[in-house]
Amino acid sequence: RKEVEQDPGPFNVPEGATVAFNCTYSNSASQSFFWYRQDCRKEPKLLMSVYSSGNEDGRFTAQLNRASQYISLLIRDSKLSDSATYLCVALSGGYNKLIFGAGTRLAVHP
Amino acid sequence: EAEVAQSPRYKITEKSQAVAFWCDPISGHATLYWYRQILGQGPELLVQFQDESVVDDSQLPKDRFSAERLKGVDSTLKIQPAELGDSAMYLCASSLVRGQGAFFGQGTRLTVV
Repeated sequence: RKEVEQDPGPFNVPEGATVAFNCTYSNSASQSFFWYRQDCRKEPKLLMSVYSSGNEDGRFTAQLNRASQYISLLIRDSKLSDSATYLCVALSGGYNKLIFGAGTRLAVHP
Repeated sequence: EAEVAQSPRYKITEKSQAVAFWCDPISGHATLYWYRQILGQGPELLVQFQDESVVDDSQLPKDRFSAERLKGVDSTLKIQPAELGDSAMYLCASSLVRGQGAFFGQGTRLTVV
């Protein structure tokens, strides 16, 4: 079993839709989590950190559920420019290595 | 805006040849990571440095891969000999403080023929 698992998608949604991705992690000792965005054949870019209290940045909301060991990302009012792969990341181990999921593809259409 | 610099951007090499990638992290970032990403998969950690020390290389194929960060600043990842299965994107990332999100360079796309 992989340490961080995501539904690969693709999620095909119309502009303006609300879409949510979930990600599960297996290491209950993981302390910090992140969402990254990756455009085709480009490097991952840090989208947001995920805090226990949840956090919001514009149209994006991230939540952490420690009891069930999952992280979520909600995107409201989807834009064409949101089309990308979204990578879930957990910090693991004594030296806090970043463990990536395989990513969830989002395609927003007109 | 400070960036992680990587070179070369693209590299084509024949199998059994040696290849090297270079990374210059954001100034002051003590933690440096090398990842490999195969198309359609998430990045896989190869090696993590804290300053000049390797703190995780559990997934590094040590029979052919080596990495160094001699002065705790820039870093080199080497493959010798390259194999067809090494074709991938090699990404370098750095973070200011261990435990924070990391920032990635543009990567080196390696093709082994």
